Amino acid sequence: GQNIDQPTEMTATEGAIVQINCTYQTSGFNGLFWYQQHAGEAPTFLSYNVLDGLEEKGRFSSFLSRSKGYSYLLLKELQMKDSASYLCAVMDSNYQLIWGAGTKLIIKP
Amino acid sequence: ETGVTQTPRHLVMGMTNKKSLKCEQHLGHNAMYWYKQSAKKPLELMFVYSLEERVENNSVPSRFSPECPNSSHLFLHLHTLQPEDSALYLCASSQGERYNEQFFGPGTRLTVL
Repeated sequence: GQNIDQPTEMTATEGAIVQINCTYQTSGFNGLFWYQQHAGEAPTFLSYNVLDGLEEKGRFSSFLSRSKGYSYLLLKELQMKDSASYLCAVMDSNYQLIWGAGTKLIIKP
Repeated sequence: ETGVTQTPRHLVMGMTNKKSLKCEQHLGHNAMYWYKQSAKKPLELMFVYSLEERVENNSVPSRFSPECPNSSHLFLHLHTLQPEDSALYLCASSQGERYNEQFFGPGTRLTVL
């Protein structure tokens, strides 16, 4: 079966760095997405990786290793507004998105 | 209006009621999606429409019936739901079904009594 694993919850301190991991087993691979979802709001797109390596976008970076079935989202200089759930999703060989259950990130002052 | 809008934002219904959820996208996209989001569970894809044709139906019970009258509008008709259908229902759109990011609406919080 297809599976996406990510930690249920993480806690970090304002101003620090946090890494949210995502591992996947899917039938085929056509890219990996990260989304941010604040409580009671719509998920919003953060990043897309299809090739191995690190993609940097401001305070957020996303890394992919296809051979290991692994990705991480790195958030630097954490701000209180970064408190949200972070969703990892993989596009399989049928171009269908397979979603993880999300990681709830709690930022403390 | 911009982006993806959904109405109503909240809905409480009995098991014998019939109601409809509405989604509208103002982005010029040609693919639209219905997802179910339950607490601490992955997003579940329910239906996909591409160019107004249904291309995906992930074994969703027949008490959920989608309708896509044009590329900007998507409906989810509900009838004789069960309490376990209580969830957040999210609509999304994208340009094509492949590779491109999906833009989500704020969702309808559905409670079935």
